[in-house]
Amino acid sequence: AQKITQTQPGMFVQEKEAVTLDCTYDTSDPSYGLFWYKQPSSGEMIFLIYQGSYDQQNATEGRYSLNFQKARKSANLVISASQLGDSAMYFCAMREGGGGFKTIFGAGTRLFVKA
Amino acid sequence: DADVTQTPRNRITKTGKRIMLECSQTKGHDRMYWYRQDPGLGLRLIYYSFDVKDINKGEISDGYSVSRQAQAKFSLSLESAIPNQTALYFCATSEGGVGYQPQHFGDGTRLSIL
Repeated sequence: AQKITQTQPGMFVQEKEAVTLDCTYDTSDPSYGLFWYKQPSSGEMIFLIYQGSYDQQNATEGRYSLNFQKARKSANLVISASQLGDSAMYFCAMREGGGGFKTIFGAGTRLFVKA
Repeated sequence: DADVTQTPRNRITKTGKRIMLECSQTKGHDRMYWYRQDPGLGLRLIYYSFDVKDINKGEISDGYSVSRQAQAKFSLSLESAIPNQTALYFCATSEGGVGYQPQHFGDGTRLSIL
């Protein structure tokens, strides 16, 4: 069965430093997509980055990169040069099966960026 | 203007009341979803729709119903609200077709049932 695990309920990082948010997943489907979303305190959900299971390279989007280790079933989000505005809840999510309907979400990690 | 608009943004109501949450989108996406978010549980899928004639239950559909009035509109109803339906509700859309398209979310509706 699909499962997403985020083991860090909360993380602190100093402004301008890099931080890694952990995500592990479980699936028996060889085809799947992995996503990260950001939820600021205002509540909206913002799509950050996507990694496909067949992608050979790790995804990058600006200061965000996804450290994809397929054999370990991990998809960690790396935020470089943290900013105060990065303080938010971060969710890892997965969808199986070639664009199928069901996306499952992890419980989230709350990131605090310190000045 | 937001691409995915949810109304109302906040609602407080009493047990037993019927409530409708509305979602409209200007993204032109075929697929629409309703999720609820509870603290510590991430988002859970209530219903989803791939087009106007296609409605499907998600993992927690009991106590909810939906209506897809048009490609751009997808509403969620609580027929008789109960306190454990207090949560943050999100509508989302995505493109159809092959591949993994990200979901685009509305700003959420914070629902409190007393």
